[in-house]
Amino acid sequence: GENVGLHLPTLSVQEGDNSIINCAYSNSASDYFIWYKQESGKGPQFIIDIRSNMDKRQGQRVTVLLNKTVKHLSLQIAATQPGDSAVYFCADYRANNLFFGTGTRLTVIP
Amino acid sequence: EAGVVQSPRYKIIEKKQPVAFWCNPISGHNTLYWYRQNLGQGPELLIRYENEEAVDDSQLPKDRFSAERLKGVDSTLKIQPAELGDSAVYLCASSRWDSPIGLETQYFGPGTRLLVL
Repeated sequence: GENVGLHLPTLSVQEGDNSIINCAYSNSASDYFIWYKQESGKGPQFIIDIRSNMDKRQGQRVTVLLNKTVKHLSLQIAATQPGDSAVYFCADYRANNLFFGTGTRLTVIP
Repeated sequence: EAGVVQSPRYKIIEKKQPVAFWCNPISGHNTLYWYRQNLGQGPELLIRYENEEAVDDSQLPKDRFSAERLKGVDSTLKIQPAELGDSAVYLCASSRWDSPIGLETQYFGPGTRLLVL
């Protein structure tokens, strides 16, 4: 089926640097995307979302960019901290359900 | 606000045995979801409830899986009999309609990690 997918399974960054996690989707009918953070032993935690009528949305230290032309979205984390180490999922909201990608494991190096 | 509560957190059983998971959603959330998350993968929806009605169970393996949400609050997910391939984390989530954006934000519980031997 059509699912969201991620370019890289792992990402390591130095503490204080910015992180960029990418996600590609294939369903052009998708109009709502969500980024989740999942720490070990916990359920996914909502980070930020974006509608298809937007190109960019900012939160606290996080920014999501959406490029509908190439069906790509990214999550940018500013000044990455050790507490940001987790698996990050992008999810596509369709037909009242969420469809998750595989996830990217972010490791922050102190 | 209390989050989604799930129990047990861990369960180890032998194949062919039954197992049940329990979920208590966030108060006031009328929509409840059960997901299965295999190792290294994203969660996959099993069933979605609107109040006590299962409105989407198309991905639920009905030969061995069953779920119920009596009174539209707590829910249980059962597997009988369990198979080796059922080893996974079973996540419960709940949501309420977010009228300003017209969409539902899902809040996840910590999950139940099932190991079938």
